Amino acid sequence: QKEVEQDPGPLSVPEGAIVSLNCTYSNSAFQYFMWYRQYSRKGPELLMYTYSSGNKEDGRFTAQVDKSSKYISLFIRDSQPSDSATYLCAMSIPGNQFYFGTGTSLTVIP
Amino acid sequence: KAGVTQTPRYLIKTRGQQVTLSCSPISGHRSVSWYQQTPGQGLQFLFEYFSETQRNKGNFPGRFSGRQFSNSRSEMNVSTLELGDSALYLCASSLGQISTDTQYFGPGTRLTVL
Repeated sequence: QKEVEQDPGPLSVPEGAIVSLNCTYSNSAFQYFMWYRQYSRKGPELLMYTYSSGNKEDGRFTAQVDKSSKYISLFIRDSQPSDSATYLCAMSIPGNQFYFGTGTSLTVIP
Repeated sequence: KAGVTQTPRYLIKTRGQQVTLSCSPISGHRSVSWYQQTPGQGLQFLFEYFSETQRNKGNFPGRFSGRQFSNSRSEMNVSTLELGDSALYLCASSLGQISTDTQYFGPGTRLTVL
């Protein structure tokens, strides 16, 4: 079983839709949770960073962590064509490496 | 401030050869991590260097090795290349602590093994 599971999609939504991206994990020791966005032919860039359970909002993006269910989510409100990218979840244990999901490919159709 | 740079951007090698990839971190960053990205496995951690010392290592065979220089620049070497080594190799730098500091990724080196 992989440490982090993520539905690869692809996901296609109309402009303005609310997008929900999710990851599940198996290691209860994970404490730091991140979402990265990766455009084609680019390296991943950090979108959201949360510590332990709870919600964090940044503009149109909201990250949720539910440690009891070992489940994290990223919501994108009012999605734009520029949001079309691959979204990667990642998580880590203090002092240890990152574990990434395989990524979900998102296309926002104008 | 300049971002993370990786050279070369593209590389084509044949089985059995070896390859060296280079990464220059953001100025002031002392931690450099390397990842392999493939469509099926996603991003997999190779190793992390901090102040010229390997601090963390992923589950890759010994053919994959790396080093870090005193100026924090890092190189990754893959010996006896196999077809399955074809991937995007990403380097990421951070200030210090891999699990808490923000990692900034370079654009990657696309390696194709024929």
